[in-house]
Amino acid sequence: DAGVIQSPRHEVTEMGQEVTLRCKPISGHDYLFWYRQTMMRGLELLIYFNNNVPIDDSGMPEDRFSAKMPNASFSTLKIQPSEPRDSAVYFCASSLLLGASAAYNEQFFGPGTRLTVL
Amino acid sequence: AQTVTQSQPEMSVQEAETVTLSCTYDTSENNYYLFWYKQPPSRQMILVIRQEAYKQQNATENRFSVNFQKAAKSFSLKISDSQLGDTAMYFCAFMNPFVRGAQKLVFGQGTRLTINP
Repeated sequence: DAGVIQSPRHEVTEMGQEVTLRCKPISGHDYLFWYRQTMMRGLELLIYFNNNVPIDDSGMPEDRFSAKMPNASFSTLKIQPSEPRDSAVYFCASSLLLGASAAYNEQFFGPGTRLTVL
Repeated sequence: AQTVTQSQPEMSVQEAETVTLSCTYDTSENNYYLFWYKQPPSRQMILVIRQEAYKQQNATENRFSVNFQKAAKSFSLKISDSQLGDTAMYFCAFMNPFVRGAQKLVFGQGTRLTINP
């Protein structure tokens, strides 16, 4: 398996522009997570999906952020309009099944997208 | 809400030494999982080891082991015979997979570990 795939790996944009980050989870995984990593706030969950349905979006900073999962193999995180404080590394992770045996609870992370908003 | 605290921002040891990274957490729940993730300079997040709270036996994975003290809410990571490739940020994380809406990783601030030759 190729693991969790994220694109782009790096994104540089100007303030006010729309940014779309993409994620392909591991095939067969039921859960998909979006995390953000910054120096100030560390690693924090933005939103997560189970079977393509958003379960917890309380970490989404504000209305400028939106996430979708139209099918089991694709998710997007969109920022519109982007601001310099959105600069961070955005990780997507997927998991097979939660609440079962320990082997199913590992979250597999993608390589991350480093976003720079000028 | 759960919180995870790593009190050591940075640590440095010589190759082949043993090092212990500290982690404490706060929760009112009884069943949960704890994890240590490694993030090398490549920034890829890699699972090092996991511990189920209902298991009294400490988890081990080769050179990596944990000291899980449930009553004290402590979860330290011991790396034996440290290697240069162990140089990375290490994150302690908490998760309750049994409650819908709580199935997210809550991370500590991280400890930057450097292994010197």
